[in-house]
Amino acid sequence: DTAVSQTPKYLVTQMGNDKSIKCEQNLGHDTMYWYKQDSKKFLKIMFSYNNKELIINETVPNRFSPKSPDKAHLNLHINSLELGDSAVYFCASSPAKNTIYFGEGSWLTVV
Amino acid sequence: GQSLEQPSEVTAVEGAIVQINCTYQTSGFYGLSWYQQHDGGAPTFLSYNALDGLEETGRFSSFLSRSDSYGYLLLQELQMKDSASYFCAVGVNSGYALNFGKGTSLLVTP
Repeated sequence: DTAVSQTPKYLVTQMGNDKSIKCEQNLGHDTMYWYKQDSKKFLKIMFSYNNKELIINETVPNRFSPKSPDKAHLNLHINSLELGDSAVYFCASSPAKNTIYFGEGSWLTVV
Repeated sequence: GQSLEQPSEVTAVEGAIVQINCTYQTSGFYGLSWYQQHDGGAPTFLSYNALDGLEETGRFSSFLSRSDSYGYLLLQELQMKDSASYFCAVGVNSGYALNFGKGTSLLVTP
């Protein structure tokens, strides 16, 4: 059983489009995240939710909007995609501080 | 602000021992973690140190010295499958999230 699952795994889209990535965790964790990993493998936190409430919102363009309908789901919607948004986006969840379980990643390519 | 420094690349021979160092600067300390990531895969949790000293998990050990703002990951009896990127990370926002270093690419050769 997949613990943190995100879809789609691969996404190729044109500049200017709007796209969403969905994430679900079946671990019962209270905290969920979105991380972005660039081509140099730098992993940077974007958002963190705890029990559906936004607790961390790093310096991310407001074209990126997370939504947490319940504590098991955290989706990421991206408006007006730009070339620089091409990256791997990882959803993750955490049962406790400092231990994070990552999903398999969503490879986004903007052309 | 925060910063984490770790070597960008390390090469070692199968069966050997390798140590990956991490130094950090952070305004509030909520522990030092280590993650492994194979190419094309997701980061996976390896180890966590909240207090000074050594934590051992099988072939992997992690060490922390809070007074030196320093830690390391020790990998023993290296295997080819240990070739991966290794990230140190510090807790932020009371530990509710992690800031990651830029990662160390470990290549294990025969």
